[in-house]
Amino acid sequence: SQQGEEDPQALSIQEGENATMNCSYKTSINNLQWYRQNSGRGLVHLILIRSNEREKHSGRLRVTLDTSKKSSSLLITASRAADTASYFCATDASGTYKYIFGTGTRLKVLA
Amino acid sequence: SQTIHQWPATLVQPVGSPLSLECTVEGTSNPNLYWYRQAAGRGLQLLFYSVGIGQISSEVPQNLSASRPQDRQFILSSKKLLLSDSGFYLCAWSVTGPTFEAFFGQGTRLTVV
Repeated sequence: SQQGEEDPQALSIQEGENATMNCSYKTSINNLQWYRQNSGRGLVHLILIRSNEREKHSGRLRVTLDTSKKSSSLLITASRAADTASYFCATDASGTYKYIFGTGTRLKVLA
Repeated sequence: SQTIHQWPATLVQPVGSPLSLECTVEGTSNPNLYWYRQAAGRGLQLLFYSVGIGQISSEVPQNLSASRPQDRQFILSSKKLLLSDSGFYLCAWSVTGPTFEAFFGQGTRLTVV
């Protein structure tokens, strides 16, 4: 079953704008991760946030985690055309080795 | 450094034919290994994962099976492919631990005709 659900499903913005994607999940977790997928390619790990962390930054990426609401958000600041891709959140249900992925957000950044 | 190899990149197979997709990892020992399937424009569905040689956990009952004959080799198989087996198959590995990321292969685009 799907653990995570991202919204929006699709997002189209202008270059230079910020992009925010949200992820909700169902069970308790050890950590939550965000991945990026360019069309027809494998996934690339972007950032991992532990369950005891609330916010994490990496370059133009900012991730927040609210375990009480079982939700996370990914913010990409000053977006570029090269950021066009699908973005997925993944969670590891506590006590398992499984990564469960959400349905993804397709981001399109217009030059 | 660790690398993951997945092949072939694309595959077109007739209905009823067998399937064998291979994934190997280099530069690490005793990795956790995963097979995912992605339908067009959709999220990733976990098919199988393995925490050790010969240890396979199946997530979804289906026409596929997985095997791990060696520590760093993970094989996805089918005896008879169905049209519904078409999709993008991704292999991934991770190390065991409380915080870990998964590293993905480049995927295999399977089209069953």
